[in-house]
Amino acid sequence: EAGVTQFPSHSVIEKGQTVTLRCDPISGHDNLYWYRRVMGKEIKFLLHFVKESKQDESGMPNNRFLAERTGGTYSTLKVQPAELEDSGVYFCASSRGLVTEAFFGQGTRLTVV
Amino acid sequence: DAKTTQPTSMDCAEGRAANLPCNHSTISGNEYVYWYRQIHSQGPQYIIHGLKNNETNEMASLIITEDRKSSTLILPHATLRDTAVYYCIVRVAARGSNYKLTFGKGTLLTVNP
Repeated sequence: EAGVTQFPSHSVIEKGQTVTLRCDPISGHDNLYWYRRVMGKEIKFLLHFVKESKQDESGMPNNRFLAERTGGTYSTLKVQPAELEDSGVYFCASSRGLVTEAFFGQGTRLTVV
Repeated sequence: DAKTTQPTSMDCAEGRAANLPCNHSTISGNEYVYWYRQIHSQGPQYIIHGLKNNETNEMASLIITEDRKSSTLILPHATLRDTAVYYCIVRVAARGSNYKLTFGKGTLLTVNP
């Protein structure tokens, strides 16, 4: 069984540009989460999808971040326009249901210069 | 979700058991205890979780005190590859609840040869 896949693994963009991160969850997992860790800080929750619906987006920092999960399969997280403070590692995770464990991808390291 | 307290760091000799404590004195009756770890800059890895009974899997054992106010993660035979930051997380896991994981600073476990 393939794990959670994230693309790209690294991205370096200039301030003001747009970047789109992609996450492919484990097949059959309805729950998909985005987290991020900025330099020196703890891993923070961004949002949670159940299938294609946003269950909780309380962790999204501002309206420059847009997450989608069309069709309830893969998800994208777009940052537009990117700012310096958006630099960090963005993790995606998926889980099958209520108490089951969440499996994380390897993350996308985003650097905004 | 209840707050957890973990030691900042611990050392363990290779081949010995590593016992990582976690305090969660404000845990609610419907909150589970989860353990994850992050090896270097990889994505967090699920280890084990439990509600009130002790649990064991191929990676570790989880011992939860009878009053559920604390728990201990046990790696029976630590190897160098177990060097990582270990996170103890409590989370409600019920339909309609928020499934997000709240990461703290965790415990840096260093396994020494």
